[in-house]
Amino acid sequence: GAVVSQHPSWVICKSGTSVKIECRSLDFQATTMFWYRQFPKQSLMLMATSNEGSKATYEQGVEKDKFLINHASLTLSTLTVTSAHPEDSSFYICSGEDRAYGYTFGSGTRLTVV
Amino acid sequence: QQQVKQSPQSLIVQKGGISIINCAYENTAFDYFPWYQQFPGKGPALLIAIRPDVSEKKEGRFTISFNKSAKQFSLHIMDSQPGDSATYFCAAAIQGAQKLVFGQGTRLTINP
Repeated sequence: GAVVSQHPSWVICKSGTSVKIECRSLDFQATTMFWYRQFPKQSLMLMATSNEGSKATYEQGVEKDKFLINHASLTLSTLTVTSAHPEDSSFYICSGEDRAYGYTFGSGTRLTVV
Repeated sequence: QQQVKQSPQSLIVQKGGISIINCAYENTAFDYFPWYQQFPGKGPALLIAIRPDVSEKKEGRFTISFNKSAKQFSLHIMDSQPGDSATYFCAAAIQGAQKLVFGQGTRLTINP
């Protein structure tokens, strides 16, 4: 089946620094990648949709300058949280879409900003 | 119209029992209905999915029942085991790189 590798699985950073999260589709080409944020005991909240080679589409209320998404190739998408603050602490999950396998999720990244 | 409503919010079932989680949707354009299982600190994993041209799909102990006219679908877990204790999410999408719309999630606990 399809696999999406997400790294790092957890990261702690100081307030004001930037953090990059990577997602790679290992055995399929993800033309579209989705980035989610999940708060404890809540559902997944879609942040943005990225298509390879074009600008990401952000959901309403998501700051595009804070959450930079790059989808430079069919197998790699990155989310950079810029100038992170404690309120950005959350669980971030990516997902790649493939016609054969549907939507495959990464294992998630726990971001803690101190 | 993009919402998917999931119930119950939490569910406790005895080992060996049947766990049933329900979802309802409004957008009749949805053509893909997956169920995901999520363990703490992990990403969601696809359990089983169905398309609206069938009314039921079974994979092992997991069954999706789909009622197109009522715009409802449900997940049945037969012979529930403690290892099934997790959070379950239903979702819906218009497939073709369209975003998934998630239900609110159900925290399932299987008592030994």
